[in-house]
Amino acid sequence: DAGITQSPRHKVTETGTPVTLRCHQTENHRYMYWYRQDPGHGLRLIHYSYGVKDTDKGEVSDGYSVSRSKTEDFLLTLESATSSQTSVYFCAISEGQGVYEQYFGPGTRLTVT
Amino acid sequence: KNQVEQSPQSLIILEGKNCTLQCNYTVSPFSNLRWYKQDTGRGPVSLTIMTFSENTKSNGRYTATLDADTKQSSLHITASQLSDSASYICVVSAEKAAGNKLTFGGGTRVLVKP
Repeated sequence: DAGITQSPRHKVTETGTPVTLRCHQTENHRYMYWYRQDPGHGLRLIHYSYGVKDTDKGEVSDGYSVSRSKTEDFLLTLESATSSQTSVYFCAISEGQGVYEQYFGPGTRLTVT
Repeated sequence: KNQVEQSPQSLIILEGKNCTLQCNYTVSPFSNLRWYKQDTGRGPVSLTIMTFSENTKSNGRYTATLDADTKQSSLHITASQLSDSASYICVVSAEKAAGNKLTFGGGTRVLVKP
């Protein structure tokens, strides 16, 4: 998985609790992304980062925030988890824009009860 | 709205046989098209990336084609193996898309049987 780890790999949490997912890379790539994957939908971009402390919203960013204080770490926070945020979350990295590869992590399965 | 549609949704093939997956897109302006393989419980892994000027690209037993005029792509799997059982995802990128935004298709689930 191209030097990308995600933690935790599985999590069950209750509605209303905050949750933080971590993505860690060892490739020193500039860009990092958070996606969610749900049945019946293709992967959808939540937030992305184009450098330390530089982040922007994707298409499904409501209810999520991110932070990137170091090149290697990109955190996704669900401020108050809801059942609609039950999903599989993937982190991805890329060196640049355009035709650069995006490499995906192994995913985190989150269940909100 | 940018969209990527894949067909069929799923298919079953016998080991050793060939198959072809289809992808139609409406992403504009077009930059590149990618095919990913996603094994169950794992993240997607890139198979090919094609730009406007490329109409065929191979990666081992996988061959992707692109017709930018009709906005169609196909992925051909030759001499299928049990390890080819996976979801195959077509992904299209628009030129100068903010955040390298990729538009993902829903995938085709392939099951190879012995």
